[in-house]
Amino acid sequence: GAVVSQHPSWVICKSGTSVKIECRSLDFQATTMFWYRQFPKQSLMLMATSNEGSKATYEQGVEKDKFLINHASLTLSTLTVTSAHPEDSSFYICSAPDRRGNTEAFFGQGTRLTVV
Amino acid sequence: KQEVTQIPAALSVPEGENLVLNCSFTDSAIYNLQWFRQDPGKGLTSLLLIQSSQREQTSGRLNASLDKSSGRSTLYIAASQPGDSATYLCAVSGGNTPLVFGKGTRLSVIA
Repeated sequence: GAVVSQHPSWVICKSGTSVKIECRSLDFQATTMFWYRQFPKQSLMLMATSNEGSKATYEQGVEKDKFLINHASLTLSTLTVTSAHPEDSSFYICSAPDRRGNTEAFFGQGTRLTVV
Repeated sequence: KQEVTQIPAALSVPEGENLVLNCSFTDSAIYNLQWFRQDPGKGLTSLLLIQSSQREQTSGRLNASLDKSSGRSTLYIAASQPGDSATYLCAVSGGNTPLVFGKGTRLSVIA
């Protein structure tokens, strides 16, 4: 099946710094990718939809200036957490629908971010 | 707005038992439904995908059913094993749209 690779799998950073998370579709092109966040013992909540060649669409309550999304190619989307704070500590995970864009979603391995 | 509910939130069973996890969704206009497994601190493993036109899917000891009209799905796990211990997530999609997840059921299978 299709593979989505997410990197890094975990990162610890200091408050005020920025962290970039990459999401790559390895064997298919993804014009759309989705970024989710999961707090401990909570479900995955959609943060934003990343669109290749255009601006990302953010869900209500998600600060677009804080969570910068870039989808520069058909195989790569990046999420940059800017000026990170401890409350940004969470599990971030990306997904991409399959080639046909309407069936199975493939997920990256996730990134555990800890801001100290 | 689509909402997905999973019951129970947590479940502990002895090894060998058959068990059922429940998922319900408020908007029956879905394209598909997926069941995932998530181990602590890990990503998601897709278990079963049911298209809206299907009623069930099977993979090994797992069987998932879908009743789209009533907004329900069940995941049946036969002969549970300690290795099945994980959180099981149900998610629905409207087609080329992001998945809407339930909060999951945390399963513990005791040896």
